Amino acid sequence: AQSVTQPDIHITVSEGASLELRCNYSYGATPYLFWYVQSPGQGLQLLLKYFSGDTLVQGIKGFEAEFKRSQSSFNLRKPSVHWSDAAEYFCAVGPLMGGGNKLTFGTGTQLKVEL
Amino acid sequence: DVKVTQSSRYLVKRTGEKVFLECVQDMDHENMFWYRQDPGLGLRLIYFSYDVKMKEKGDIPEGYSVSREKKERFSLILESASTNQTSMYLCASSSVPPGGNGNQPQHFGDGTRLSIL
Repeated sequence: AQSVTQPDIHITVSEGASLELRCNYSYGATPYLFWYVQSPGQGLQLLLKYFSGDTLVQGIKGFEAEFKRSQSSFNLRKPSVHWSDAAEYFCAVGPLMGGGNKLTFGTGTQLKVEL
Repeated sequence: DVKVTQSSRYLVKRTGEKVFLECVQDMDHENMFWYRQDPGLGLRLIYFSYDVKMKEKGDIPEGYSVSREKKERFSLILESASTNQTSMYLCASSSVPPGGNGNQPQHFGDGTRLSIL
């Protein structure tokens, strides 16, 4: 069975500091990986996705993520955090082919930004 | 841009009531999903549908049913609401790529925060 682990429930960073949110997955086939962000009271917005090619993918809002197959990780990074990045972040994995497009989500990481 | 609209942002119902949550998408997507979101548990899939009148159970279908009579609309039904169904409910949709296989990102509505008293 597929699973996603986000080991950090809460993270606090200062505005302007760099950010890395961790995501580890367990999946038996070629995975399709996603990062979503959820602002308070809102639905989830897609930040970026990866399924093949360059293992460093760029997303919206200045975020990037690196796929490391050997470590089963897909960590999200941002070089300089803005106060508006405070939100909850979810990593998700799904089958690249077939599977009805079902995704498995991690439990989320709540990001707080100190001014 | 894909628009997924959930009919209510906030809803308060009583135990035992039959509750309907509605979701409409405007991008002609084949797949639609209902999740519930609880603190510390992330998103859990309740039901999904890959075509009109087609549905499949997700991870936590107990106490819920769904209806998809039209492609753009996917309804979640709480047959007899209970307090443990108080939660945030999220609807999502996704397309099927050319060729019919493979996956696409899911697009989410803003959620319905449901309280059962």
